[in-house]
Amino acid sequence: AQKITQTQPGMFVQEKEAVTLDCTYDTSDPSYGLFWYKQPSSGEMIFLIYQGSYDQQNATEGRYSLNFQKARKSANLVISASQLGDSAMYFCATANNNDMRFGAGTRLTVKP
Amino acid sequence: DAGVIQSPRHEVTEMGQEVTLRCKPISGHNSLFWYRQTMMRGLELLIYFNNNVPIDDSGMPEDRFSAKMPNASFSTLKIQPSEPRDSAVYFCASSLRHRNTIYFGEGSWLTVV
Repeated sequence: AQKITQTQPGMFVQEKEAVTLDCTYDTSDPSYGLFWYKQPSSGEMIFLIYQGSYDQQNATEGRYSLNFQKARKSANLVISASQLGDSAMYFCATANNNDMRFGAGTRLTVKP
Repeated sequence: DAGVIQSPRHEVTEMGQEVTLRCKPISGHNSLFWYRQTMMRGLELLIYFNNNVPIDDSGMPEDRFSAKMPNASFSTLKIQPSEPRDSAVYFCASSLRHRNTIYFGEGSWLTVV
C-alpha cells in the first residue's frame, strides 16, 4: 500500500505571501494519482488539485500548483497569494485505481 | 448538483448500541468509499466499493464493523456493538471509476459514550 508523509504538522504564512506544503510518498505502482484536499474547521473535505504520475507538466488550479518531482516521489502544494480563508488542514493523498490513502495533514495558518 | 449525502451528521450513542451510518453517493458515480478520521490516526480508508461490490475491506478495524452497498445509490456502515474508541468522523466519498477526483460528503460525527 502507498505511504504518504507530510512532515510539517503546522505552517504559518503571512497573508499575500506564497507557501509550500510538503508531501512525499512511497508507492511501487507505476501508475498513480496525487491529490491535495483542504479541510477547513467546518470539517468538510474539499478537493483542490490532481496530478497524474505520467503527467509531464505540473498541475495548476488557480492559486494552487503542484510541484511534482517524480524521481524524488515528491508532490508539494504551492499556494500563492495566501488569503485568510486558506487557513485549514491540508491533506496530501495518493491513489492507485481507487485505493486512496492520505497523509497526516498540515495545519496552515494565514496571518493578517 | 447534489453532492455526497451522509446521515446522520451527528450522533451520540451509548457504548454497546448499534450505530448505522448512511451514505448516498453522487448520482452516476460507481465507486464509493468509507473513511474514518481521528486525531490519533488521521484519515483511514475503511472500505471501498466498485459497482456495489466491496473491493478492499482491509481497513475495517474489526468484526464489529460492517458495510453494505445494496444498490448504486445507497451504502451503510454499521458498528455493532459500538465502543468509545469508535468515536470519530466517518466520511463517505464517491467517484466515477477511472476519473481523477473523489468527492467527500460532509461527514458523520460519532460520539460513543
